[in-house]
Amino acid sequence: AQSVSQHNHHVILSEAASLELGCNYSYGGTVNLFWYVQYPGQHLQLLLKYFSGDPLVKGIKGFEAEFIKSKFSFNLRKPSVQWSDTAEYFCAVLLNAGNNRKLIWGLGTSLAVNP
Amino acid sequence: EADIYQTPRYLVIGTGKKITLECSQTMGHDKMYWYQQDPGMELHLIHYSYGVNSTEKGDLSSESTVSRIRTEHFPLTLESARPSHTSQYLCASSDPPGSGGRGTQYFGPGTRLTVL
Repeated sequence: AQSVSQHNHHVILSEAASLELGCNYSYGGTVNLFWYVQYPGQHLQLLLKYFSGDPLVKGIKGFEAEFIKSKFSFNLRKPSVQWSDTAEYFCAVLLNAGNNRKLIWGLGTSLAVNP
Repeated sequence: EADIYQTPRYLVIGTGKKITLECSQTMGHDKMYWYQQDPGMELHLIHYSYGVNSTEKGDLSSESTVSRIRTEHFPLTLESARPSHTSQYLCASSDPPGSGGRGTQYFGPGTRLTVL
């Protein structure tokens, strides 16, 4: 069955540290890839997305993600985190399989950034 | 900023009550979704709709029901609320797959439901 794995459930960093959150999926076909962020008390927001083209995509607030097709991965990165990046991060993969396209969600990674 | 709205934002209600959680979007999206999310946990799809008069159950079994009489409106109803229904309910809608957004889902602010 198709699935999305986020390797780290909880991450704690100090401000200015670099961040990389792993995301792997299991599906051999064409996919669209997303990272969503949920700040405390706020609704889910789209952070960035990949459909095609340059595998390195840039999102809001200095985040970027790289699609590595051979590794079925779409890891999220930020060179220097801030306290305000404390949030829950979700990776999601849209399977482009005919008419019933399905968005598969990872379990989420809780990021806490200490000031 | 996506134009998708949910009311109420917070609801505390007693066991056995009937409740309806409202969701509306002004983007003209055909596809809409309801997710259930416990604090700090993953999203579980409980219902979705591909358009007017289309409703399907999602991956997580839910005692709730939905309707889609108008494109912009996708309410969720619990006939008899129980404490096990306490959770956050998120509504979303998505771009058509063939559009520039290619199926991107946009979320409302959620309804945090507590059943006593």
